[in-house]
Amino acid sequence: GQQLNQSPQSMFIQEGEDVSMNCTSSSIFNTWLWYKQDPGEGPVLLIALYKAGELTSNGRLTAQFGITRKDSFLNISASIPSDVGIYFCAGQLSGNTPLVFGKGTRLSVIA
Amino acid sequence: DAGVIQSPRHEVTEMGQEVTLRCKPISGHDYLFWYRQTMMRGLELLIYFNNNVPIDDSGMPEDRFSAKMPNASFSTLKIQPSEPRDSAVYFCASSSHAPLGNTIYFGEGSWLTVV
Repeated sequence: GQQLNQSPQSMFIQEGEDVSMNCTSSSIFNTWLWYKQDPGEGPVLLIALYKAGELTSNGRLTAQFGITRKDSFLNISASIPSDVGIYFCAGQLSGNTPLVFGKGTRLSVIA
Repeated sequence: DAGVIQSPRHEVTEMGQEVTLRCKPISGHDYLFWYRQTMMRGLELLIYFNNNVPIDDSGMPEDRFSAKMPNASFSTLKIQPSEPRDSAVYFCASSSHAPLGNTIYFGEGSWLTVV
């Protein structure tokens, strides 16, 4: 099946630092989504991207849909302790296919 | 607004026992998904339904797993008999098939431990 390569697998950063993570695929997707999973909870949608080249922000989070439609990245600026969690990218090939998820980036923020 | 509701939140059971996980999707959503999350494999799609009909169950690990959706507001995932390797978090999710509504909403998960 389809696979998304998400990197890095984990990150340890100091509070206040910026964070960048990305997702790549060998397939072209028409939708990219970024989710965050807090410990003990289900994933929650952060940002949805629908067009190649689209750049979307949600507070301190910014995500971009790669021009090739095979990648996406997520940036978090000025990290804070509550940013801790697992961040998942997800892609959709078409409107009728289910999402494919990356394996997640586990973020730890050191105060 | 109520989100996706799953039960039980936590279950510990002995190997060989039957496990039934339940899900109530968001009202009005016509897609329902069952995912399994483990450290090794991440989030895996097990099966999904559209308008209560199973569309793709190719992710179901083996015959011990079965899922049903008898109506638009309820689905079950059953494991019989359970094995220790089934220990994982099982998520139910739902979505609405609108032009830009292809985002899915997850429940809080059912944390299963088989001993």
